[in-house]
Amino acid sequence: KAGVTQTPRYLIKTRGQQVTLSCSPISGHRSVSWYQQTPGQGLQFLFEYFSETQRNKGNFPGRFSGRQFSNSRSEMNVSTLELGDSALYLCASSLGTVTNEKLFFGSGTQLSVL
Amino acid sequence: QQPVQSPQAVILREGEDAVINCSSSKALYSVHWYRQKHGEAPVFLMILLKGGEQKGHEKISASFNEKKQQSSLYLTASQLSYSGTYFCGTPAGISGNTGKLIFGQGTTLQVKP
Repeated sequence: KAGVTQTPRYLIKTRGQQVTLSCSPISGHRSVSWYQQTPGQGLQFLFEYFSETQRNKGNFPGRFSGRQFSNSRSEMNVSTLELGDSALYLCASSLGTVTNEKLFFGSGTQLSVL
Repeated sequence: QQPVQSPQAVILREGEDAVINCSSSKALYSVHWYRQKHGEAPVFLMILLKGGEQKGHEKISASFNEKKQQSSLYLTASQLSYSGTYFCGTPAGISGNTGKLIFGQGTTLQVKP
């Protein structure tokens, strides 16, 4: 079974630009969660999508948005990039229908904002 | 509220033991443990659901004391492969929905030969 795939692996953008990150979950998984990882803040929850609906949301500004498609693939968009948005963005997939289930993480997209 | 992990970092020699603690000021209903090696994705280790329950993965075990709102990860006879950053996480609500995990800041473990 293929794992969670995130593209691209690396991105370099400048302030003010926008960016779209992609995540393909494990086949059969309907839940996709997004996390921002920085050295100072650790793993911070962004949002979770389940069956094309946002089910949970973290404390991030509206510049961070996402969506999920009918095939469970998910995209995350960040508009008007700021220097502080530089981070590793991880997505994780799970079945989404069982409590206390394990998450399967992708390798992440490393975003650098210059 | 983010769980608090201690210590922040630990350096061991192969064969030594280590304990990583995770505590919360809010009630814990379950604790999830993940390990992330440098440059890799976090990988699931185990989930603890009940007070006092212990689970194991290789020579790594953990306990969960829901009354004390804390969990501890025990690494016995550490190996070089144990190096990485360990995160504890807990679901945001009592439902146990893992879709939103609140993670601690991580504990970096380095095992030296």
